[in-house]
Amino acid sequence: GAVVSQHPSRVICKSGTSVKIECRSLDFQATTMFWYRQFPKQSLMLMATSNEGSKATYEQGVEKDKFLINHASLTLSTLTVTSAHPEDSSFYICSARTPLAGSNTGELFFGEGSRLTVL
Amino acid sequence: AQSVAQPEDQVNVAEGNPLTVKCTYSVSGNPYLFWYVQYPNRGLQFLLKYITGDNLVKGSYGFEAEFNKSQTSFHLKKPSALVSDSALYFCAVRDGGGYQKVTFGTGTKLQVIP
Repeated sequence: GAVVSQHPSRVICKSGTSVKIECRSLDFQATTMFWYRQFPKQSLMLMATSNEGSKATYEQGVEKDKFLINHASLTLSTLTVTSAHPEDSSFYICSARTPLAGSNTGELFFGEGSRLTVL
Repeated sequence: AQSVAQPEDQVNVAEGNPLTVKCTYSVSGNPYLFWYVQYPNRGLQFLLKYITGDNLVKGSYGFEAEFNKSQTSFHLKKPSALVSDSALYFCAVRDGGGYQKVTFGTGTKLQVIP
């Protein structure tokens, strides 16, 4: 299947700093990528939909100024957690959708996730 | 609104026994259904999907799932469980194709006992 690379896999930062997480589709162009947050022993919470060349669409309750999303190219989306606080500590997962074409519904492929710990 | 329910937080099964992980869904249109597996501190891996066609869908690692429209279910099954199958399993649904969001269930932890 298609490959989605997410980096870094683990990051520890001090409270008040900003952290950037990258999500790359390695062998396909992804006009749409998704960012999820996963709390311990819980499901994935969709944070935002990242569209190449346009502004991200945020889910209700997600602070867009806190979680900055940039989808500058067809293979790269970034999530920046600004002024991080301990409550932002979580597992963040990105996914990229293969292009929709005709009857092809597009598939979601997931990155390996990034474990953020804010001290 | 679409939703997915995974009624069991955890399923325990002995190695070699058949396993079932339950999933029910609710959508207004045609359901696109998926199963994903997650190992600790890893992303999700695609197992199988139902879009249309045969109700019994075969996927990776010997898993299969049966779509039941009348019961709005999409249970994941495997004839003989392996210890290496122990992981977190997520059912997901999308309402039709196109740009609809995918909604995930809360996950079921599968524990295969040697």
